[in-house]
Amino acid sequence: GQNIDQPTEMTATEGAIVQINCTYQTSGFNGLFWYQQHAGEAPTFLSYNVLDGLEEKGRFSSFLSRSKGYSYLLLKELQMKDSASYLCAVRAMDTGRRALTFGSGTRLQVQP
Amino acid sequence: GAGVSQTPSNKVTEKGKYVELRCDPISGHTALYWYRQSLGQGPEFLIYFQGTGAADDSGLPNDRFFAVRPEGSVSTLKIQRTERGDSAVYLCASSPQFGFSGANVLTFGAGSRLTVL
Repeated sequence: GQNIDQPTEMTATEGAIVQINCTYQTSGFNGLFWYQQHAGEAPTFLSYNVLDGLEEKGRFSSFLSRSKGYSYLLLKELQMKDSASYLCAVRAMDTGRRALTFGSGTRLQVQP
Repeated sequence: GAGVSQTPSNKVTEKGKYVELRCDPISGHTALYWYRQSLGQGPEFLIYFQGTGAADDSGLPNDRFFAVRPEGSVSTLKIQRTERGDSAVYLCASSPQFGFSGANVLTFGAGSRLTVL
């Protein structure tokens, strides 16, 4: 099976930087995804990591360390619209579940 | 279509009733997934289809839940004898293929909110 942990809630200030951590345990790891979900809306894809290192996309970056089972999502120059839940999800090649397994999400509140 | 379409957006039903939730995936996407999301939780996997067949239904909670995709496009999630614990948002997603090459990103619909009274 797979186990994914991320903080339940975080608060940050507009214009600042915030790092949302995700740890996972899985066999047959084959990719880690970050999704953003505004209240009452569909999750939308932010980033994908399959190799170790940092992937940068505008204000958002995502890091992966496969040996540590660890990822983080870095949001820079925070804006009020970044207030949302951020979901970490893992894909695995093991004989169990092959679709994405999601963590419970981190609810980020951006304050003025 | 341009995105994943789900109907109805809201469904209120009484305990014991039968409900159907429909998903119309992005045109050409061969993989389709159903997830369930409760308040404050991440999406919980239910079932996925590769083409017409259910490739993995291990997430369906019990035999009251069933899903079909007869022509490899539109899918219907069927819930019999609904219970209050079935209340949740049911999300559908599709991707170009099910595979392990590249990101093969899941695109989600807005969901069907089911309330069982």
